[in-house]
Amino acid sequence: DQQVKQNSPSLSVQEGRISILNCDYTNSMFDYFLWYKKYPAEGPTFLISISSIKDKNEDGRFTVFLNKSAKHLSLHIVPSQPGDSAVYFCAASARTSGSRLTFGEGTQLTVNP
Amino acid sequence: DSGVTQTPKHLITATGQRVTLRCSPRSGDLSVYWYQQSLDQGLQFLIHYYNGEERAKGNILERFSAQQFPDLHSELNLSSLELGDSALYFCASGRQEDEQFFGPGTRLTVL
Repeated sequence: DQQVKQNSPSLSVQEGRISILNCDYTNSMFDYFLWYKKYPAEGPTFLISISSIKDKNEDGRFTVFLNKSAKHLSLHIVPSQPGDSAVYFCAASARTSGSRLTFGEGTQLTVNP
Repeated sequence: DSGVTQTPKHLITATGQRVTLRCSPRSGDLSVYWYQQSLDQGLQFLIHYYNGEERAKGNILERFSAQQFPDLHSELNLSSLELGDSALYFCASGRQEDEQFFGPGTRLTVL
């Protein structure tokens, strides 16, 4: 039962353009959402998060949007840079059940110079 | 650098053996989480400890066990190893309701 899904295994974008990574979830108990970036041979690095009481959170070039009615969130990276090339994981937690993270399968983002 | 350390970085062992993976959380973090990333699966939650006590269990096999010590470091023990246990094992730490910060992982290869 895949409760968090990232339906695009890969995304290729030109440097300077916008990257949009998508994530869907099924568990309505999830109330906290996070995005992580992962390079090969390294652990996931926290990027940005959003609570279910908000619909948008910005941090520099990164913005996360949450649509609770659609059970959908997205990560926007503007402008995209070659150093952003990595695997991006969406994760969700239900704080009432202990903050364990449920991860999506990941999306490989490639930003071409 | 997340501040979470894991040792060893790589581990190669044989089927049937037992290994121990170690994790030191970020200073001040009371929670330690263990995750497994296999080739054919994403990151799967294994177990969560908070200040020495087990808080939640995920898809953790009975052959696996963990503990968190008074100094807050944690160990994940894997026994009767099988080929399918080959994976990356990540430890993360954090505050109870905050972002989790991941260590660099331990790559386990079972031959």
